[in-house]
Amino acid sequence: AQSVTQLDSQVPVFEEAPVELRCNYSSSVSVYLFWYVQYPNQGLQLLLKYLSGSTLVESINGFEAEFNKSQTSFHLRKPSVHISDTAEYFCAVSDPGQGAQKLVFGQGTRLTINP
Amino acid sequence: DTAVSQTPKYLVTQMGNDKSIKCEQNLGHDTMYWYKQDSKKFLKIMFSYNNKELIINETVPNRFSPKSPDKAHLNLHINSLELGDSAVYFCASSQKRPGTGVYEQYFGPGTRLTVT
Repeated sequence: AQSVTQLDSQVPVFEEAPVELRCNYSSSVSVYLFWYVQYPNQGLQLLLKYLSGSTLVESINGFEAEFNKSQTSFHLRKPSVHISDTAEYFCAVSDPGQGAQKLVFGQGTRLTINP
Repeated sequence: DTAVSQTPKYLVTQMGNDKSIKCEQNLGHDTMYWYKQDSKKFLKIMFSYNNKELIINETVPNRFSPKSPDKAHLNLHINSLELGDSAVYFCASSQKRPGTGVYEQYFGPGTRLTVT
């Protein structure tokens, strides 16, 4: 069964600094990878996804993630963060070979932006 | 025009009671889900229905019973509530992307259940 590990439970950074949130998944022939963001007291919103093709995927608000098959990683990055990026970030994987409807989530990383 | 909605947003009840949470989606999706988010923010799938048919049933106590009256609704009924049931419950829906095997899931705002 698939599993997802987010190596950092909390990441504090200063505003306008770069950030990387790490995500590793257990290996499989092919997977779909997602990053979701949960703002305080809200539901989850899809931030970006990797399905196939280019290994670098981008979101509309400046985040990007790179799929690295050899390292089974899908780290999320942003070159310059804003206070409004403060949220919980979840990495998730679905395995088309085991039923793509099922999303397996990592433990989440709390990103805190300090002024 | 909320895509996935849940009611109630907050639910406080005592141990032993029976309660229901309702979910509705207006996205025209075929598949709906229930997730549980515990106090450490860990998210785990509980159930999934596709066109009113149960397709995912994780190891959840049988006190939890999902019901899908139609493909736009998925309700969660919980019998004999226990302290450990306190959590945030999220509903989600998805549709298979044409030409791929991908289901992009859209989440509701969550229902915070507190059992005292």
